Amino acid sequence: AQSVAQPEDQVNVAEGNPLTVKCTYSVSGNPYLFWYVQYPNRGLQFLLKYITGDNLVKGSYGFEAEFNESQTSFHLKKPSALVSDSALYFCSVRDPRYGGSQGNIIFGKGTKISVKP
Amino acid sequence: DTAVSQTPKYLVTQMGNDKSIKCEQNLGHDTMYWYKQDSKKFLKIMFSYNNKELIINETVPNRFSPKSPDKAHLNLHINSLELGDSAVYFCASSPLRASSYNEQFFGPGTRLTVL
Repeated sequence: AQSVAQPEDQVNVAEGNPLTVKCTYSVSGNPYLFWYVQYPNRGLQFLLKYITGDNLVKGSYGFEAEFNESQTSFHLKKPSALVSDSALYFCSVRDPRYGGSQGNIIFGKGTKISVKP
Repeated sequence: DTAVSQTPKYLVTQMGNDKSIKCEQNLGHDTMYWYKQDSKKFLKIMFSYNNKELIINETVPNRFSPKSPDKAHLNLHINSLELGDSAVYFCASSPLRASSYNEQFFGPGTRLTVL
């Protein structure tokens, strides 16, 4: 069965410091990986995804993520955090072998990022 | 224009009642979804649906049923509401049903409170 893990419930970062949100996954085949952000009382917003190709993907708001197949990880990073980055971040994995089946959509439990001035 | 909209934003009701949450997307997407986010922020898919196929998460009680009057709408109907149904429900959409590489677009959520 596929799964995705976000080992940290919360990460505190000082503004201007680098930000990393960890995500590891388990799927039988090659995964499709996504990051979403949820601001308070809002729906999720797509940040970036890895499908194939370059392991380093760049997304919205200056975020990037690196796909590491050997470590089965897809950590989200930002070189310099802003107070406005404070939100809940979700990693998601889909197993493309299942095509359109919703049964392949799995979200991590979320990591709360708090950026202090 | 809001891409994925939901109504109502808040819903407070008594146990045993039947209620519906509406969702509309103006993105021209083929597939729509319903998610439940519990008090611990865990996000779980309930349904995915296009005009040909409804896929139900096997853990969803049959009190929950999606209803789609057309491609742009997917409403969620809940019968005999229970306390454990209290959560935030999100609608989402994505293009091309068979394309797992497409990201989803989420609505703002409906906070359901069952008393």
